[in-house]
Amino acid sequence: NFMLTQPHSVSESPGKTVTISCTRSSGSIASNYVQWYQQRPGSAPTTVIYEDNQRPSGVPDRFSGSIDSSSNSASLTISGLKTEDEADYYCQSYDSSSVVFGGGTKLTVL
Amino acid sequence: QLQLQESGPGLVKPSETLSLTCTVSGGSISSSSYYWGWIRQPPGKGLEWIGSIYYSGSTYYNPSLKSRVTISVDTSKNQFSLKLSSVTAADTAVYYCARVTAMHNWFDPWGQGTLVTVSS
Repeated sequence: NFMLTQPHSVSESPGKTVTISCTRSSGSIASNYVQWYQQRPGSAPTTVIYEDNQRPSGVPDRFSGSIDSSSNSASLTISGLKTEDEADYYCQSYDSSSVVFGGGTKLTVL
Repeated sequence: QLQLQESGPGLVKPSETLSLTCTVSGGSISSSSYYWGWIRQPPGKGLEWIGSIYYSGSTYYNPSLKSRVTISVDTSKNQFSLKLSSVTAADTAVYYCARVTAMHNWFDPWGQGTLVTVSS
């Protein structure tokens, strides 16, 4: 099995841009798609990025995803931060036999 | 619009078996494009995948839970279920069910979740 490592927390001001990383411990990050979920307190997770860089309908284009094979990591970038973006964010990927979630990153917009 | 709803006891005694059901509405559980999954989240902690099932009954489980988990499907009722045996306080969590794309393991949508507390 592999792990996905995220920073515990990040903070940034409204209007700025923040990037959350997700590093895969073994196996290539490019081998299997990465998804990103947003979870607000008391609510179920919802998708903000799927298949590395695709946005579901209804998710603003301020949200973008990418992967970097050199660092074996995926990234979620949120531009033009709004207070409503304050939430926990989880990356998720898989291999042939299992599914793995990252530990989650708490985004504070202050 | 596809919706999922978890149901089951909110309190389970230590050493007993946790049983939950997820009812799918607005779509068929027998779609060839999807698996159906269970995920849990202990209070204040992150998400943990428990396992997933195809409508045919094919399953795959988190290796760390495999010895205690059984997931089954009832296509006639458009439901799938989770059983977790020999529970301890560490199994206290919000349990979510979700649809999973078969090709790329994308979990969407999710049910609202149900809190299960393990306590005597």
